[in-house]
Amino acid sequence: AQKITQTQPGMFVQEKEAVTLDCTYDTSDQSYGLFWYKQPSSGEMIFLIYQGSYDEQNATEGRYSLNFQKARKSANLVISASQLGDSAMYFCAMREEIGSGGYNKLIFGAGTRLAVHP
Amino acid sequence: SQTIHQWPATLVQPVGSPLSLECTVEGTSNPNLYWYRQAAGRGLQLLFYSVGIGQISSEVPQNLSASRPQDRQFILSSKKLLLSDSGFYLCAWSSNRGVYEQYFGPGTRLTVT
Repeated sequence: AQKITQTQPGMFVQEKEAVTLDCTYDTSDQSYGLFWYKQPSSGEMIFLIYQGSYDEQNATEGRYSLNFQKARKSANLVISASQLGDSAMYFCAMREEIGSGGYNKLIFGAGTRLAVHP
Repeated sequence: SQTIHQWPATLVQPVGSPLSLECTVEGTSNPNLYWYRQAAGRGLQLLFYSVGIGQISSEVPQNLSASRPQDRQFILSSKKLLLSDSGFYLCAWSSNRGVYEQYFGPGTRLTVT
């Protein structure tokens, strides 16, 4: 079974600095995908970034980048130039195929709480 | 653009009472729909998914059921709530065209007393 591990329950960072949130995964599939979601205190899950297992380039979306190291089975999220509004829970997730129709569900890690200090 | 709505936002219900949570999606047709539950301080667990009207698949045996009476409407129900049903319920949608991202609604916080 697929598994996502986030070993950092909480992280602190100074405003305007970069921070890396760790994520390791376990899968026997050759084709898979990894996601990062942000969950502010309001509770909504906000999609940040996606990396496919066959993508040769690391995914980037604005201040977010995904440091994908396939051999190490890691997919760390890097947030550059942290802002106060980045304070939230961050979840790493992997898609897992369900049923026989090519549908996918997301397997989530336990999350990392990021606090950005002024 | 697509939007996803959930209601109610919060709910406090006594043990043994029924439950109905509603999710609707706008701006897309024939989406894949999902119900997840998040226990306090933890990640999300998939409860149900649907690939079309009347097509529901359950991931975890439990006290809950789901229905999809219309293309963009997804309902989570229970006949008799248990204390263990408390949690944060999130509805999500994804495209049926091989795009893998799932987009979540604002969630419903359910407390069973």
